[in-house]
Amino acid sequence: DVKVTQSSRYLVKRTGEKVFLECVQDMDHENMFWYRQDPGLGLRLIYFSYDVKMKEKGDIPEGYSVSREKKERFSLILESASTNQTSMYLCASSSRPRGYTFGSGTRLTVV
Amino acid sequence: SQQGEEDPQALSIQEGENATMNCSYKTSINNLQWYRQNSGRGLVHLILIRSNEREKHSGRLRVTLDTSKKSSSLLITASRAADTASYFCATDPSEKLVFGKGTKLTVNP
Repeated sequence: DVKVTQSSRYLVKRTGEKVFLECVQDMDHENMFWYRQDPGLGLRLIYFSYDVKMKEKGDIPEGYSVSREKKERFSLILESASTNQTSMYLCASSSRPRGYTFGSGTRLTVV
Repeated sequence: SQQGEEDPQALSIQEGENATMNCSYKTSINNLQWYRQNSGRGLVHLILIRSNEREKHSGRLRVTLDTSKKSSSLLITASRAADTASYFCATDPSEKLVFGKGTKLTVNP
């Protein structure tokens, strides 16, 4: 069964901490994505990557960075966590034109 | 940037009834996809319909696409309590998918 695995289901971090959210896929997909999901706002794209070492900004990249050193792994980094980054974070991968495969999500709380 | 918009925002039905959700979008697309999300979980891909297709079936799901009206509908027939979830449409105006805000479906036993 194909999988996208996010390293943590729940995470609590302090304001100002550097936070790493890890995502690994086992489908050899070229494309990987990071979304955040907030009530009333739906899914918003933070960053995406079409290949190793390539990254592109999505709709809300401020306060985030990403790393894709290997094809199967796409990391989201919060350089200095803030309370407005409390959210559900969803990683996905795809090989166009098929649908996306999502991970189970990481619910991050910044206190 | 919001591309797809689902309607209604919330829908409550009895088990055995059919559920219909609609999606409208703004720009031309290559395909349109529907996803389901159970509470607190990731999204699960349900069905993809290409822009040159008008209707597609998968089990109890039926999706229609009207590119002239820039709209799609998802029909779930003979609903079950396990269908309770949020349903999202997603379109690809560029290389990446853009999701709507979803329809929250509740199927009462």
